[in-house]
Amino acid sequence: AQSVAQPEDQVNVAEGNPLTVKCTYSVSGNPYLFWYVQYPNRGLQFLLKYITGDNLVKGSYGFEAEFNKSQTSFHLKKPSALVSDSALYFCAVRDKEPKSTFGDGTTLTVKP
Amino acid sequence: GAGVSQSPSNKVTEKGKDVELRCDPISGHTALYWYRQSLGQGLEFLIYFQGNSAPDKSGLPSDRFSAERTGGSVSTLTIQRTQQEDSAVYLCASSPEMGADTQYFGPGTRLTVL
Repeated sequence: AQSVAQPEDQVNVAEGNPLTVKCTYSVSGNPYLFWYVQYPNRGLQFLLKYITGDNLVKGSYGFEAEFNKSQTSFHLKKPSALVSDSALYFCAVRDKEPKSTFGDGTTLTVKP
Repeated sequence: GAGVSQSPSNKVTEKGKDVELRCDPISGHTALYWYRQSLGQGLEFLIYFQGNSAPDKSGLPSDRFSAERTGGSVSTLTIQRTQQEDSAVYLCASSPEMGADTQYFGPGTRLTVL
């Protein structure tokens, strides 16, 4: 069985400050990890993924995430938040099974 | 290029009626997924298709839900005898194959059951 936890329903940051959106996971094998973003009234868009290799993954719009095997985490980060980053963010995980499990989502609000 | 499209974008129906939701995946993508997103909830997996293999229906919440994928392309999700708790946004996604690939999502169909 696989599961994902996004412990924060909401994250609020000021524009220009760094942001972190947390994600922890549980899988039986090697994890494939993903972050997706959902802007208001739009579908989910892929941000980045970790499959293998470097633990620090860089993705779209200046976002990055760090895979931490010992802590089973894959937190999403950005050094300097923009108001336009305000959206709903989903972490997802899968192992050898092709079916992905998504977290409940974290609403990021960046205030000017 | 064209992304994943879904129709209708909005559907309002009365309790007890049947509805059909359509998904057109990206051309050439062999894997297709259906999810449900209820208000304030995460994504709930419903079903996936890979090529001509038997679909994984393990996420379908009841036997009122069914899905087909014709010719390895277009998919239709059918909900029979709709209930108010079926109200949600139904999302379709496709990927080049069922592996570690990124899923590309459509805009969703917002279903409201009165």
